[in-house]
Amino acid sequence: DAMVIQNPRYQVTQFGKPVTLSCSQTLNHNVMYWYQQKSSQAPKLLFHYYDKDFNNEADTPDNFQSRRPNTSFCFLDIRSPGLGDAAMYLCATSNPGTAYEQYFGPGTRLTVT
Amino acid sequence: AQSVTQLDSQVPVFEEAPVELRCNYSSSVSVYLFWYVQYPNQGLQLLLKYLSGSTLVESINGFEAEFNKSQTSFHLRKPSVHISDTAEYFCAVRTGGTSYGKLTFGQGTILTVHP
Repeated sequence: DAMVIQNPRYQVTQFGKPVTLSCSQTLNHNVMYWYQQKSSQAPKLLFHYYDKDFNNEADTPDNFQSRRPNTSFCFLDIRSPGLGDAAMYLCATSNPGTAYEQYFGPGTRLTVT
Repeated sequence: AQSVTQLDSQVPVFEEAPVELRCNYSSSVSVYLFWYVQYPNQGLQLLLKYLSGSTLVESINGFEAEFNKSQTSFHLRKPSVHISDTAEYFCAVRTGGTSYGKLTFGQGTILTVHP
C-alpha cells in the first residue's frame, strides 16, 4: 500500500544533542510537509518542500532545518534540541493532482532529557 | 488570514448517542474544508473533505459534515457513536489558490464515548 512512513516512532535525545527525524513516502507526491504538534495542541506547520523548493514558515526557529535528497525522502534536523522542542513531529505529503489532500505519517514522538 | 475555531475542546457522550463537533472558519476567499481524526500516539487520518459540489459530505464510518457558507461552518455529525470513535478530531481549512495546499487547523476536539 502507498503510504507515508516515519522513523523512528519514538526518539529520545539529550538537551543540545542534534537529532534527525526521517520521513519517506511511496505516493510519489510533489509536496512534503513537517508539522510540530505539542501536547493538546493543533499541528503547526514548520516548513514544506515543493519538489526541491524549500519553504520555511516565518515563525519556524532557526534550530529546525530540513533536507529532501529525493522525491521519496525528507529529513527534519533539530540542531540543538531544547526542552521546549519535545513534541510529536508529523510528516505529510500532497499532490496538485489530488487537490493537495494531505496524507500523514504516524508521527515521531520526540522526548528531550 | 484564515482561522479555524472548534467551539468545544472536549465532548463526552454515551455510546449510541448522536454527536456534533462544531467548526467555524474565517476566510474571505473560497475554501476547502477537512476533518481529520487522531488516535493516541498516531498521525492524522483524513475523515472527510469538502472541495466543491454537494455541501453534505460523508465518511465511510458514518460521520457526515455539512458546509454552510453563510454561517462559515463545517460541523461534524454522527447519529450513533461507538466506543471506537473515541479520539481527537481536527477541523482544517485550505484557502483556494495556494500553490502548495497549506492547512490551518483548529485546536481540536476530544471526543470521549462512554459505555
